[in-house]
Amino acid sequence: EVQLVESGGGLVQPGGSLRLSCAASGFTFSSYWMSWVRQAPGKGLEWVANIKQDGSEKYYVDSVKGRFTISRDNAKNSLYLQMNSLRAEDTAVYYCARRDYPLDYWGQGTLVTVSS
Amino acid sequence: VIWMTQSPSLLSASTGDRVIISCRMSQGISSYLAWYQQKPGKAPELLIYAASTLQSGVPSRFSGSGSGTDFTLTISCLQSEDFATYYCQQYYSFPPAFGQGTKVEIK
Repeated sequence: EVQLVESGGGLVQPGGSLRLSCAASGFTFSSYWMSWVRQAPGKGLEWVANIKQDGSEKYYVDSVKGRFTISRDNAKNSLYLQMNSLRAEDTAVYYCARRDYPLDYWGQGTLVTVSS
Repeated sequence: VIWMTQSPSLLSASTGDRVIISCRMSQGISSYLAWYQQKPGKAPELLIYAASTLQSGVPSRFSGSGSGTDFTLTISCLQSEDFATYYCQQYYSFPPAFGQGTKVEIK
């Protein structure tokens, strides 16, 4: 059974940093692109970033470019999102998802709240 | 950037109804479109990809159609578990954007 479990969310002040993790199991992690998608409270879905199987290609939505970094550790079956210079508008539930397109399995999400 | 218009934003329906949700693109995207269902407090789930291919395990009352700029998600006979929010997503061009969502509520 495919499982994706996010962790690392929480309350952080504007300008702060946070690192999200996504633990994958039930499939060959190193064979798949992986993605992050976020959802602000009461709002729709926004694609954030994705990363190729070997980490050699990474893509970001413009609003996070230069502030967020996606990475992966295939030996640990884990996906990461390093978020720096956080803003109030980054407040959202962050989901990790399998594949680039379409997103066929999703984790349960982790809430990031950016507030003073 | 491809602009997406998903409609309606809110749909009131009864169990057993046939429901149609539309997703329109500002330019052609071939069949690079997916549909997702999201229930309150839960992660989205993939229903349909490549505009009309049903994801494994998804009930056959769900169907997708269209290509180019106009797409539809049809639920042939609405069940109680189908009351949720539905999103389309284009993955033809970067960034792979989602529609605004359609909430299907009980009439």
